[in-house]
Amino acid sequence: GEDVEQSLFLSVREGDSSVINCTYTDSSSTYLYWYKQEPGAGLQLLTYIFSNMDMKQDQRLTVLLNKKDKHLSLRIADTQTGDSAIYFCADAGGTYKYIFGTGTRLKVLA
Amino acid sequence: DAGITQSPRHKVTETGTPVTLRCHQTENHRYMYWYRQDPGHGLRLIHYSYGVKDTDKGEVSDGYSVSRSKTEDFLLTLESATSSQTSVYFCASGTALANSGANVLTFGAGSRLTVL
Repeated sequence: GEDVEQSLFLSVREGDSSVINCTYTDSSSTYLYWYKQEPGAGLQLLTYIFSNMDMKQDQRLTVLLNKKDKHLSLRIADTQTGDSAIYFCADAGGTYKYIFGTGTRLKVLA
Repeated sequence: DAGITQSPRHKVTETGTPVTLRCHQTENHRYMYWYRQDPGHGLRLIHYSYGVKDTDKGEVSDGYSVSRSKTEDFLLTLESATSSQTSVYFCASGTALANSGANVLTFGAGSRLTVL
């Protein structure tokens, strides 16, 4: 079945850029998503990218998609302490059966 | 209130007892989901629903059943709870974005279940 993999932890200094990586296995994915989970809360949609795009920029967020390698990344520019959270990539493989990655816990050091 | 509400938010129960978690949405979304979140495993899909009385299994469905008798309500039942089902459970509902083909999931705040 579909599998979505992420590294578990990332630590960066305030003001630096953060890059969170994700690999997926389903080649029929139409959209790929990034969700953010703050402590004690549910997930919220951060951004998404259409599978025919290589890059999408949304203010401080840049999503890069390498469809050949099935690799997705999320770059956060000028990372702030408020960005500390768990970040999940998600894929539905062209269906409505959403599979999430293991989540990457981002810690921003002041 | 708009959005998704889960109940109960916290529950402690004993092994072998039945447990039902409730999810209620006011968004009129067609799709609804139950996930569990565990350290090192991220979010894993238990069951999902694509309409009233239409449900399907996810990655970790063993030991769980669901029912959806109305668009707004999605129930998750543990027939006989085990310690391995201690987890945080999240409900979500999904709909397509108006200006694209992307689908957005809206999550509840979670239900923390402890099985002793």
